[in-house]
Amino acid sequence: GESVGLHLPTLSVQEGDNSIINCAYSNSASDYFIWYKQESGKGPQFIIDIRSNMDKRQGQRVTVLLNKTVKHLSLQIAATQPGDSAVYFCAENMGGYNKLIFGAGTRLAVHP
Amino acid sequence: DGGITQSPKYLFRKEGQNVTLSCEQNLNHDAMYWYRQDPGQGLRLIYYSQIVNDFQKGDIAEGYSVSREKKESFPLTVTSAQKNPTAFYLCASRRPGQGAGEQFFGPGTRLTVL
Repeated sequence: GESVGLHLPTLSVQEGDNSIINCAYSNSASDYFIWYKQESGKGPQFIIDIRSNMDKRQGQRVTVLLNKTVKHLSLQIAATQPGDSAVYFCAENMGGYNKLIFGAGTRLAVHP
Repeated sequence: DGGITQSPKYLFRKEGQNVTLSCEQNLNHDAMYWYRQDPGQGLRLIYYSQIVNDFQKGDIAEGYSVSREKKESFPLTVTSAQKNPTAFYLCASRRPGQGAGEQFFGPGTRLTVL
């Protein structure tokens, strides 16, 4: 079936460095993508979203890039902080179904 | 404050028992969702409801049941037919709008079968 996957299951970075979390999606009909952050024992929190008619969207310290040619999504976190340590999920919405398909997640570990 | 609440936070069940997980939202959202999360894995969709009195099976609906009698509430029952119910259960609701939209998640219920 259709799926959303991630290239790196665990990412370790130094505090202050930039982080890049990658995600590959398989459904070319997907029209909406979201990045979520999940801290241990809590529900996922929205970070940023992007629609398929965009290539890039910026938020506070975060940027999402969408490359539809290779079906690739990335989340860039600038000046990574210890509070950014969490599991990050990408999710895609298959057009017309109004439900999200989640990837397995990438754990981001920020070291001082 | 608007949000989604789930109760209880932790739930223990003996094998063969049915249990019901609560999910309530005061965001005035039409759509609500139930997901299951296993350690080190992503979220898998159990059931979803686009509107009151209507719901559809997700990818792993076997052994679960839901109801949507009120807009604010979407309880999930884990039945004895669910062979491996120990997991973290997440409820979400989606803001209205055209097509897809951000889903807001509750804090989750961790279910353990003894």
